[in-house]
Amino acid sequence: GAGVSQSPSNKVTEKGKDVELRCDPISGHTALYWYRQSLGQGLEFLIYFQGNSAPDKSGLPSDRFSAERTGGSVSTLTIQRTQQEDSAVYLCASSLANEYEQYFGPGTRLTVT
Amino acid sequence: GDSVTQMEGPVTLSEEAFLTINCTYTATGYPSLFWYVQYPGEGLQLLLKATKADDKGSNKGFEATYRKETTSFHLEKGSVQVSDSAVYFCALSPPRTAGNKLTFGGGTRVLVKP
Repeated sequence: GAGVSQSPSNKVTEKGKDVELRCDPISGHTALYWYRQSLGQGLEFLIYFQGNSAPDKSGLPSDRFSAERTGGSVSTLTIQRTQQEDSAVYLCASSLANEYEQYFGPGTRLTVT
Repeated sequence: GDSVTQMEGPVTLSEEAFLTINCTYTATGYPSLFWYVQYPGEGLQLLLKATKADDKGSNKGFEATYRKETTSFHLEKGSVQVSDSAVYFCALSPPRTAGNKLTFGGGTRVLVKP
């Protein structure tokens, strides 16, 4: 079946602009995660959605970052007023409820110029 | 907070050599432990896991044992192949009640030469 998909695969934006990154999880997966992979910080957790529960936003680095998940499926990560330090690969993962294995998408490479 | 420390790479080996990648962790309670692998040009994928002390995870000839006493989860493979060239990440997730968000180590790049 289809895996986790993310779009766009690459995004170049100017400093100060807003960007939206999209994640389509595997059908039926109720848990959805966003991570960021950067040279300086490695792989770090950003936010976690599980069903209808309030999301765990403990990893978001600043209030410029937000995410939503509509209808328990597709998720959008929004970064407002982008900064150069936001340049990274943003990874989305999904899993079944209470399952350990997370399935990762290919990522969106964000470059802020 | 939780943290994972793994040996820095790159690790360069010849085919059929023995591979060990050290991983230690700091966490409260009894986390679950994982090794993820990222092959060139591909996404992260789960290699193996262990969810309680003394469990051994294994897959594709790789093994790792959850050692609570030394807070370690070292990855080993007895005879590597060129196709094992990849970046390997050790990770943990908190006990079940806290959700399964992962804390990753810095990654270890492995290059296997023929």
